[in-house]
Amino acid sequence: EPEVTQTPSHQVTQMGQEVILRCVPISNHLYFYWYRQILGQKVEFLVSFYNNEISEKSEIFDDQFSVERPDGSNFTLKIRSTKLEDSAMYFCASRGDRGLEETQYFGPGTRLLVL
Amino acid sequence: AQKITQTQPGMFVQEKEAVTLDCTYDTSDQSYGLFWYKQPSSGEMIFLIYQGSYDEQNATEGRYSLNFQKARKSANLVISASQLGDSAMYFCAMRERSNDYKLSFGAGTTVTVRA
Repeated sequence: EPEVTQTPSHQVTQMGQEVILRCVPISNHLYFYWYRQILGQKVEFLVSFYNNEISEKSEIFDDQFSVERPDGSNFTLKIRSTKLEDSAMYFCASRGDRGLEETQYFGPGTRLLVL
Repeated sequence: AQKITQTQPGMFVQEKEAVTLDCTYDTSDQSYGLFWYKQPSSGEMIFLIYQGSYDEQNATEGRYSLNFQKARKSANLVISASQLGDSAMYFCAMRERSNDYKLSFGAGTTVTVRA
C-alpha cells in the first residue's frame, strides 16, 4: 500500500542552525501539507502546497520557514534559523484530487529537538 | 473559537469492551469532512475513519464506527471490542471546503485499554 515517508525520523540541532525535513508524498497525490505537533499538544497546520506553490500558510509559518518540491517526488520543509520553540514533531501529509472526501495520509513524522 | 472540541483528555476501557470518544465541531460550511486519527506512542498518525457531511449513513471501518449527529454537530468515535493495541491518542479532525481543505484537529483523547 502506498505511504508517505519522511526523513529523518529524529533530528537534534543547535539553536540558530538550519534544518531541512524531507518528505516523499504518495506518488499520484497532488496536494501536500506540513503540520506540527508540539509535545503534548494538538496537531497544528503549517502550510499547504499545490501546483508548485503555497496555497495557504498559518501564522506559525513565518519567514523562517520555507517549502519546496525540488523534484517530482520530494517535498521539503526548511527552517532557516531554528529556535527552541521549533522543537516538535513535524508531519508531512498528502492527498489526491477527489475533493472533500479525499483522505489526507500522514507520514510517520520527524521529531525535531532544538537545543 | 475552537473548530474541534474533544472534552475527554483521557479514558480507561477494559479489554473487549466498547468505548466512545466524543467530538464536537463548529463550522458554517454545508460541505465538510470529519476524520479520526490514531496516534500510538511511536508518534505516527494513522487514519481510521471518515464521515462526509452529506453522508446519510454513519461510517464504519471494522471495529471503528462514527456516530454522526449533524444537528448536534457531533462525530463520536466508537471502538468496539477494545484490544490492548488500541491504547493510543485519538484525534478528531475536520476539513472544510472554505478552509482550503486543511485539517483542523482537536486536542485529542488518550485511551488506555486495561487487560
